[in-house]
Amino acid sequence: SYEVTQPPSVSVSPGQTASITCSGDKLGDKYVSWYQQKPGQSPVLVIYQDNKRPSGIPERFSGSNSGNTATLTISGTQAMDEADYYCQAWDSRVVFGGGTKLTVL
Amino acid sequence: EVQLVESGGGLVQPGGSLRLSCTASGFTFSTYWMTWVRQAPGKGLEWVANIKEDGSERYYVDSVEGRFTISRDNAKNSLYLQMNSLRAEDTAVYYCARDLYGSGSWYFDLWGRGTLVTVSS
Repeated sequence: SYEVTQPPSVSVSPGQTASITCSGDKLGDKYVSWYQQKPGQSPVLVIYQDNKRPSGIPERFSGSNSGNTATLTISGTQAMDEADYYCQAWDSRVVFGGGTKLTVL
Repeated sequence: EVQLVESGGGLVQPGGSLRLSCTASGFTFSTYWMTWVRQAPGKGLEWVANIKEDGSERYYVDSVEGRFTISRDNAKNSLYLQMNSLRAEDTAVYYCARDLYGSGSWYFDLWGRGTLVTVSS
């Protein structure tokens, strides 16, 4: 079955750019979505179809996908962006990455 | 208000059964695929099952195939997950989510708050 892999953790200083990767075989041929989950809360869709932002998601969130890697980029990271982030793709079944804990320090 | 509300979680012994429900409001439930996603304590998200708008197609992750059944009642705007032969590894928060798909993409734009299922003796 298809798998996607994320780094367990990423750290960033406030105001800097955070990049979270998601890797999978020929992932660039598939659409990737990203979800933000804060402690005790439900996941929230922040990027879909590689690089589209749902209504209400700040412009500092962007996405890209090429080759074997998709990337979620958060520009001007704020303390409120500290959360777990999950990538998700579809390959006849839905598949989630293991999640990346973003620490803003 | 557009929302999903899960219910039915609780403590159950290994080998037992539980039925989860998810009630939708604020949108036309019958026009969406729906999904169950679970999250074990301290772990990541795991897709469990989904069901087509009219219930004619259902898909499951291998680990629950034959034990769990997803269903829906569009007249009641409700999604269900019947869980049988429960195991300790089924312990998780179970979320229902609304599917959006098209052109090879599949994603979830609306999530409930989840309901906790604990399988323990």
